[in-house]
Amino acid sequence: NAGVTQTPKFQVLKTGQSMTLQCAQDMNHEYMSWYRQDPGMGLRLIHYSVGAGITDQGEVPNGYNVSRSTTEDFPLRLLSAAPSQTSVYFCASSYLTGGQPQHFGDGTRLSIL
Amino acid sequence: KQEVTQIPAALSVPEGENLVLNCSFTDSAIYNLQWFRQDPGKGLTSLLLIQSSQREQTSGRLNASLDKSSGRSTLYIAASQPGDSATYLCAVSAMKTSYDKVIFGPGTSLSVIP
Repeated sequence: NAGVTQTPKFQVLKTGQSMTLQCAQDMNHEYMSWYRQDPGMGLRLIHYSVGAGITDQGEVPNGYNVSRSTTEDFPLRLLSAAPSQTSVYFCASSYLTGGQPQHFGDGTRLSIL
Repeated sequence: KQEVTQIPAALSVPEGENLVLNCSFTDSAIYNLQWFRQDPGKGLTSLLLIQSSQREQTSGRLNASLDKSSGRSTLYIAASQPGDSATYLCAVSAMKTSYDKVIFGPGTSLSVIP
């Protein structure tokens, strides 16, 4: 039972490059989300999805795109990387009803030079 | 705007002690509150989830309480062990249908000294 799988675990980019962070879950969860975690800022929601074909913005969406073509996958795209996007990115998933606990991946550590 | 704070930011205790971690939130209109554990270099693991209608939840040596009216939750860890060393975060969910309203606290870093 893999749970929530994030790839890659580490990535270094140059300013202006683009890349996609992958997230997959095998628990048939409707709800998926992306957070970034920065020292002193806690976890902040970037984008979220309540089902295939449905996405919405969180607290800090600028510079990021998402899509949800399947229930299992929720990739996060950095369009033009900036040093301010250096962070640890976490993907999470949960069932949609009843306030279910979220399951988190192990994170992607991203550095933008 | 909902704000979540956690005190203390860091805590160091000798093995075997009972300890309490605190979480405060400014808006009492929450749907549920979760406590998470985060180990270095890892994601978050859900420990306990308390629905707004509940007062406490227990799992093994962990007990979480919720007082909505005062905007507080505590995580009690009994007979602490070195393996409990981690960062503990609380998160509140503001509304059942507003999934973007999960707000995390900054966490308490716990060290249990053998």
